[in-house]
Amino acid sequence: QVQLVESGGDVVQPGRSLRLSCAASGFTFNKYGINWVRQAPGKGLEWLAVISYDGSDKYYAGSVKGRFTISRDNSKNTLYLHMNSLRPEDTAVYYCARLNYYGSSGYCDYWGQGTLVTVSS
Amino acid sequence: QSVLTQPPSASGTPGQRVTISCSGSSSNIGSNVVNWYHQVPGTAPKLLIYANNQRPSGVPDRFSGSKSGTSASLAISGLQSDDEADYYCAAWDDSLNGRVFGGGTKLTVL
Repeated sequence: QVQLVESGGDVVQPGRSLRLSCAASGFTFNKYGINWVRQAPGKGLEWLAVISYDGSDKYYAGSVKGRFTISRDNSKNTLYLHMNSLRPEDTAVYYCARLNYYGSSGYCDYWGQGTLVTVSS
Repeated sequence: QSVLTQPPSASGTPGQRVTISCSGSSSNIGSNVVNWYHQVPGTAPKLLIYANNQRPSGVPDRFSGSKSGTSASLAISGLQSDDEADYYCAAWDDSLNGRVFGGGTKLTVL
């Protein structure tokens, strides 16, 4: 079955960096785009970034563009989110979600369980 | 402030039909499909409706989605206590070149 398992969440000081991972299994990883979505405590969902199946296309939300970088290693079936210059407002649970298509319209069909990032001094 | 606007809360009694609205603009709902997710607090979101009105396998037909112009709706009929969750709409936004979510609607089954 499709599984996405995030890891790497931690407590970090403002201004520091962190790398999250999302290990995929149960499907052909190199045929699917993947998204990162986060949820601050008690808040709603916020889309962060998406990467195409082969890593050639990447899109970012304005709130993280220039600070966060999405990447993938198809040989390891793993997605990454490199986060720099972290701020307290980046505190959230970070989810990876598989991108599927209905025609040309995308949607997130499977989600991981999330990993918690806390930015605090 | 979310790009897509949802009511913060909705409620109904068991067996009732409830609808949750999602309002956007020409750059998102007006020109792209809407997807719906639900989330029980403390757990990961799950796909509920995709491409405006398509149900993934395993989602009962009590759940239905529709779209008209720059707005979309999720309808839940035969409300059950298990339906208590947060519901989110989402769409691609052509102006932002990214995916946007609604602020979420907390559904309470009275």
